[in-house]
Amino acid sequence: AQSVSQHNHHVILSEAASLELGCNYSYGGTVNLFWYVQYPGQHLQLLLKYFSGDPLVKGIKGFEAEFIKSKFSFNLRKPSVQWSDTAEYFCAAYYGNNRLAFGKGNQVVVIP
Amino acid sequence: ETGVTQTPRHLVMGMTNKKSLKCEQHLGHNAMYWYKQSAKKPLELMFVYSLEERVENNSVPSRFSPECPNSSHLFLHLHTLQPEDSALYLCASSQGLAGREQFFGPGTRLTVL
Repeated sequence: AQSVSQHNHHVILSEAASLELGCNYSYGGTVNLFWYVQYPGQHLQLLLKYFSGDPLVKGIKGFEAEFIKSKFSFNLRKPSVQWSDTAEYFCAAYYGNNRLAFGKGNQVVVIP
Repeated sequence: ETGVTQTPRHLVMGMTNKKSLKCEQHLGHNAMYWYKQSAKKPLELMFVYSLEERVENNSVPSRFSPECPNSSHLFLHLHTLQPEDSALYLCASSQGLAGREQFFGPGTRLTVL
């Protein structure tokens, strides 16, 4: 079955630390990949997306993600986090079957 | 109003009640979705509508009944729910189907007593 795996569900780090969240998707041919973020009390919003082209994707708020086809991965990174990055982060993959498969999410807490 | 709105934001209902969740998108999109978000589980797709036609019904129990009267509105009618149906119900829309970016509403927090 098509699925998305996210590890380290809870991440706690200090401001200015670097963040990397892992995302692995199951094989399914051509796939569109997304990272969504849900800030406390707010709705899910798109952080970045990958459809094709340059495998290093830049998103909003200094986030980036790298698509590595050989590893079926789409890891999210930010070199220096801020307190305002405290949120839940979801990786998602679209395999062309009307369904967006989501991972379980990473709860990230940034300590000032 | 902009984006995707959902009402009510919170709903408490008994197992014998009938209620409806409403979603409205102000983005001119042609596809709409219902998701269920439960703690410690991935978002679960429930229903997909494209051009007001249901294109996906992800094995959802019949106690959940969707309705899409036009491209801007989506309803989820609820009846004889179970306590395990308590969750956050999210509505989303996109231009084109799920391969495109989806825009989410704030959700309805449903509690079934």
